[in-house]
Amino acid sequence: DGGITQSPKYLFRKEGQNVTLSCEQNLNHDAMYWYRQDPGQGLRLIYYSQIVNDFQKGDIAEGYSVSREKKESFPLTVTSAQKNPTAFYLCASSPTGGGYTEAFFGQGTRLTVV
Amino acid sequence: AQKVTQAQTEISVVEKEDVTLDCVYETRDTTYYLFWYKQPPSGELVFLIRRNSFDEQNEISGRYSWNFQKSTSSFNFTITASQVVDSAVYFCALSELNTGNQFYFGTGTSLTVIP
Repeated sequence: DGGITQSPKYLFRKEGQNVTLSCEQNLNHDAMYWYRQDPGQGLRLIYYSQIVNDFQKGDIAEGYSVSREKKESFPLTVTSAQKNPTAFYLCASSPTGGGYTEAFFGQGTRLTVV
Repeated sequence: AQKVTQAQTEISVVEKEDVTLDCVYETRDTTYYLFWYKQPPSGELVFLIRRNSFDEQNEISGRYSWNFQKSTSSFNFTITASQVVDSAVYFCALSELNTGNQFYFGTGTSLTVIP
């Protein structure tokens, strides 16, 4: 089935460690996004990528890094510099980067720092 | 400034009641797109509808309907004869032609339908 797969679903990290969240899509979409969701704050954009080997910072990129080496993959690394990383992370993709069409979302990864 | 405002944080209704979720947006673009998504407890956002700024026709899909009014910058969502399965968080979102690289989401409205 076509869709977006995020893994793992739950992730626990010790303070000071980097961790990478996986996002894979087989929809042949050009654009991919990472959002962070905190209670009562909606979705906030971390990074987005419109094409392979290109990505742009969103509103809350500090403490995060991404890569886009393949069209279908857009992993997000939460670094130790991210001061409050406990949150729900959602990956999305859309056919183009123009926002003209809807985005499709994965099931999310819940990251907890212990 | 918040581009999308969903003033209703939580709503509870009894099953079979109608409920309207409000969405007010702010943009200077003349070309923009509005969306509604549903987030059930599983966490994945499910796309419900997209409208572009040139199409103010209201839309109905089964028990769902949407009222787009540019004069008040609103894109409200009504569920008729609500059901328990409608319980979820609903998000309104905006994308703009001139800054079309992202979707701006509201803070969401948590809807609980009581059986």
